[in-house]
Amino acid sequence: EPEVTQTPSHQVTQMGQEVILRCVPISNHLYFYWYRQILGQKVEFLVSFYNNEISEKSEIFDDQFSVERPDGSNFTLKIRSTKLEDSAMYFCASSVQGHTEAFFGQGTRLTVV
Amino acid sequence: AQSVTQLGSHVSVSEGALVLLRCNYSSSVPPYLFWYVQYPNQGLQLLLKYTTGATLVKGINGFEAEFKKSETSFHLTKPSAHMSDAAEYFCAVSDSGLTGTASKLTFGTGTRLQVTL
Repeated sequence: EPEVTQTPSHQVTQMGQEVILRCVPISNHLYFYWYRQILGQKVEFLVSFYNNEISEKSEIFDDQFSVERPDGSNFTLKIRSTKLEDSAMYFCASSVQGHTEAFFGQGTRLTVV
Repeated sequence: AQSVTQLGSHVSVSEGALVLLRCNYSSSVPPYLFWYVQYPNQGLQLLLKYTTGATLVKGINGFEAEFKKSETSFHLTKPSAHMSDAAEYFCAVSDSGLTGTASKLTFGTGTRLQVTL
């Protein structure tokens, strides 16, 4: 069964460092998303991406964040200068159409120390 | 703007008992509604969804949910709980969207289901 895959599963980084979280969406999906879940809190939308550009972004997705689809298969989230409060589980998701169900990856747990 | 309220951050039931997890939503446009389950240290798995049509939707693992527009609710039920149902359950809403636009999911705060012997 097709699935969304994320790497790494765990990332520890020092405050101020740049991190890149990687995702391989399901191959025939056209819409891509990043969500995050701070420990003990709800899942929050970060950004959606379609047709090689950002469709929508939340207030959380400030200038420190960027997304890219560098090739036909990968979808990345970059945090330029990490802060302690960026520590969270980051989920990538993809969907066939914009309003159909999103399929989620297993997540990358980011710990900023 | 859309929002989801899940009443009860923790629900405990006995094995074999009815499971009822509550979800109320707010949306200015016809909503699409989803229930996702998250097992420990895993991602989010879709349980079921409501888009249009029949208001009672059936999902995986014996779960079902009923869309009640008048009550703005989408409660999740299962007639008989199993130990393997212990997990965190998230209700989510998105708008019906336009072709070519991505519809984000707005999640509730989640309900942790505990199943006891």
